Amino acid sequence: GENVEQHPSTLSVQEGDSAVIKCTYSDSASNYFPWYKQELGKGPQLIIDIRSNVGEKKDQRIAVTLNKTAKHFSLHITETQPEDSAVYFCAATPLGTGGGNKLTFGTGTQLKVEL
Amino acid sequence: DTGVSQDPRHKITKRGQNVTFRCDPISEHNRLYWYRQTLGQGPEFLTYFQNEAQLEKSRLLSDRFSAERPKGSFSTLEIQRTEQGDSAMYLCASSLMGQGKNEQFFGPGTRLTVL
Repeated sequence: GENVEQHPSTLSVQEGDSAVIKCTYSDSASNYFPWYKQELGKGPQLIIDIRSNVGEKKDQRIAVTLNKTAKHFSLHITETQPEDSAVYFCAATPLGTGGGNKLTFGTGTQLKVEL
Repeated sequence: DTGVSQDPRHKITKRGQNVTFRCDPISEHNRLYWYRQTLGQGPEFLTYFQNEAQLEKSRLLSDRFSAERPKGSFSTLEIQRTEQGDSAMYLCASSLMGQGKNEQFFGPGTRLTVL
């Protein structure tokens, strides 16, 4: 089955700096990679996703890049703000292969944006 | 659209008791997923439904666990003879399969504590 590794486990940045979180996956059939933000006591919230036919996707201060050959993808947050502080999870799944699109998650990155 | 809702939000029970959780997905979403999240980890897939049919169960789902989605709308997850190892956050997610949409939207979760 799929295995997703995520680094770093904790990340502390100054407000206004950029943050980068990296993930690797093992199943070459995986073709959909969402990122979730989870605040304390809440469920994961989808913030951006990318499919394997695209190398990069951007939404305001958030961008995701994908390298299919190396089987890794990254989340980039620019101009970080205190409200970006949360746990971020990457995930992967092979869409359209009869597997139900179940997500395999990384272990999470605790991002802290300091004033 | 009120999003995915789960009830209860918190449940404390004694070892050996049975518990039941409910999930109400986003209306018209035909897929419903259950995940389990332990402290410091990403969510792990348990099972999923397409409409009322339960199509896959993880090996994590022991015989003490049962899930239903009788009318293809809300779902229940029951744990019989709870054990301390069942303590976790149980997350429900829903998605609309097809039409190029694959996003899974999560509810706030039910936190189970087994004493």
